[in-house]
Formats: sequence, structure tokens, C-alpha cells
Amino acid sequence: DAMVIQNPRYQVTQFGKPVTLSCSQTLNHNVMYWYQQKSSQAPKLLFHYYDKDFNNEADTPDNFQSRRPNTSFCFLDIRSPGLGDAAMYLCATSRPTAGRERETQYFGPGTRLLVL
Amino acid sequence: SQQGEEDPQALSIQEGENATMNCSYKTSINNLQWYRQNSGRGLVHLILIRSNEREKHSGRLRVTLDTSKKSSSLLITASRAADTASYFCATDAQGNKLVFGAGTILRVKS
Repeated sequence: DAMVIQNPRYQVTQFGKPVTLSCSQTLNHNVMYWYQQKSSQAPKLLFHYYDKDFNNEADTPDNFQSRRPNTSFCFLDIRSPGLGDAAMYLCATSRPTAGRERETQYFGPGTRLLVL
Repeated sequence: SQQGEEDPQALSIQEGENATMNCSYKTSINNLQWYRQNSGRGLVHLILIRSNEREKHSGRLRVTLDTSKKSSSLLITASRAADTASYFCATDAQGNKLVFGAGTILRVKS
């Protein structure tokens, strides 16, 4: 089945130690998103790629970076995680040219990050 | 800033009852979507309603949209224990982005 996959599901890192979260998709969607979701809050968009074009949200800290080496994969790099970065990180995809489904986003299961 | 606000924040009902959740937003939209999130999981798209539509049905789901009041409601009929989840409305911002509301936590007791 076509899907959005996130690895790992749980990630533990140390304060200040760089960490990378991974997302892959078999949907062949050209847009990929990264959201941060803290407990009992709405998902907050960090950035997204439209094909190879990177679009950063104005309030996303510089500590968060992203890479998209090809259509299928997208990575979230946190250069120096702080305690406040502990959250669920959600990857999503969409295909804006896909007719009536063009606005729908498809989410992965998320990676829960714990910072010690 | 957050586009959508939802109420109630939490809702607890008995299995078989109907559940209604409301969402309000601030700016004009092209469409409004509802998503479900089971605990510790990703979001799942439920239904999309366009700005020129007033009501839409999908199975046990009924969504209404009132653009004059900038509000939407999601009704789940004949609720089941498996409907226990958080429900988020999302509106389209510029480009391909969605802005999510704070969500309603629904608990269906069996």
C-alpha cells in the first residue's frame, strides 16, 4: 500500500546532540511537509518542499533544517536539540495537481522525540 | 497565528450518541478539512468541504460550513468506541499549506 513512513517511531537524544528524523513516501507526491506537534496542541508547520523548492516558515528556528535528496525522502535535522524541542514530529505529503484530492495531506505515524 | 479554533476542547459521550465539534476561523478560505488523530499517531484525513459547499456527508460524518460566520461543524452520528481520538479542523493558507485548529478530544465510552 502506498504510504508515508517515518523512522524511527521514537527517538531519544541528548541535549545539544544533533539528531535526524527520516520520512519516506511511496505516494509519488511532490510536496512534503514537516510539522511539530507538542502535547495537546495543533500540528505546527515547520517547512515544506514543493518538489526541490524549500519553503521555510518565518517562525521556524534556525536550529531546524531539512533536506530532500529525492522525491521519496525528506529529512529533518535538529542541530542542537533543546528540552523545548521534545515533541511529536509529523511528516506529510500532498500532490497539488491531483484533481479533487489536491488539497489533502497524507501523514506518517510520526516520530516522538525525547531530549534528555 | 492559528487560523482555526475548535470547541469543545474535550467531549465525552456514550457509545451510540452523536458527537458535534465546532471550528471557527478568521480569514477567507478555499476549503476546510477535518482530520482525526488517534493517540500517538499521525493525522488521517476525514473530509474536505469547499467554500461554495454548505454541507457534505461521508458515512457517519456530516460537515457543515457557514462562510458568513466563518465556522464549520463536524457531526459524528452513532458514535463507536473506535471514534475515540482527537479531531482537528484545518484551513488552507497561502500556497499548499494548512493551518490546524487546536483540536477536540473525543472520548466515546462503551
